Amino acid sequence: GAVVSQHPSWVICKSGTSVKIECRSLDFQATTMFWYRQFPKQSLMLMATSNEGSKATYEQGVEKDKFLINHASLTLSTLTVTSAHPEDSSFYICSATGHQSSYNEQFFGPGTRLTVL
Amino acid sequence: AQTVTQSQPEMSVQEAETVTLSCTYDTSESNYYLFWYKQPPSRQMILVIRQEAYKQQNATENRFSVNFQKAAKSFSLKISDSQLGDTAMYFCAFMKGEETSGSRLTFGEGTQLTVNP
Repeated sequence: GAVVSQHPSWVICKSGTSVKIECRSLDFQATTMFWYRQFPKQSLMLMATSNEGSKATYEQGVEKDKFLINHASLTLSTLTVTSAHPEDSSFYICSATGHQSSYNEQFFGPGTRLTVL
Repeated sequence: AQTVTQSQPEMSVQEAETVTLSCTYDTSESNYYLFWYKQPPSRQMILVIRQEAYKQQNATENRFSVNFQKAAKSFSLKISDSQLGDTAMYFCAFMKGEETSGSRLTFGEGTQLTVNP
């Protein structure tokens, strides 16, 4: 199956700093990548959808100036949490899809645990 | 908009027994896909099984099978011969059958399944 990686797997930062999370499709070209946020014991909440070479589409209630998404190539998307605060602490998951199947299966990364002190 | 509902926050089963997880959904779409994902303690999302709405036959993957009732908009997951490794959070998910790549997933709230020895 297709492989998606995320880096870092976990990060601790101080309040007010920015953190960048990378999502890479290792063996396929990802025309679309999705970013999710997940709180403990809760479901995945879609934050934004990014298509290679175009601006991301954010879900309602997600601050686009706080969560900067860049999908500059067919294998890499980044999520930058700007001026992070403790309430941004969460588990962030990316997924990627290309033309691997007839139904655009999403392949998930292993997630990144962000802790803001 | 689509909604997915999982009414069982937690379930438990004895090893080697059978358990059924419930999922209902609401949509006006005629072409769509339904999925069950597993999220073990590692938090890596794993696709368990997929059902195309246009197929009447219920999908089966080894010990995992679904009961897809399209008219009732119900999509339950049956796990036979439960194993300790089946302990995980299970999410039901919906995807519209768009032809363009990158169709978004709508997740249910999740069911935490514990398999007891």
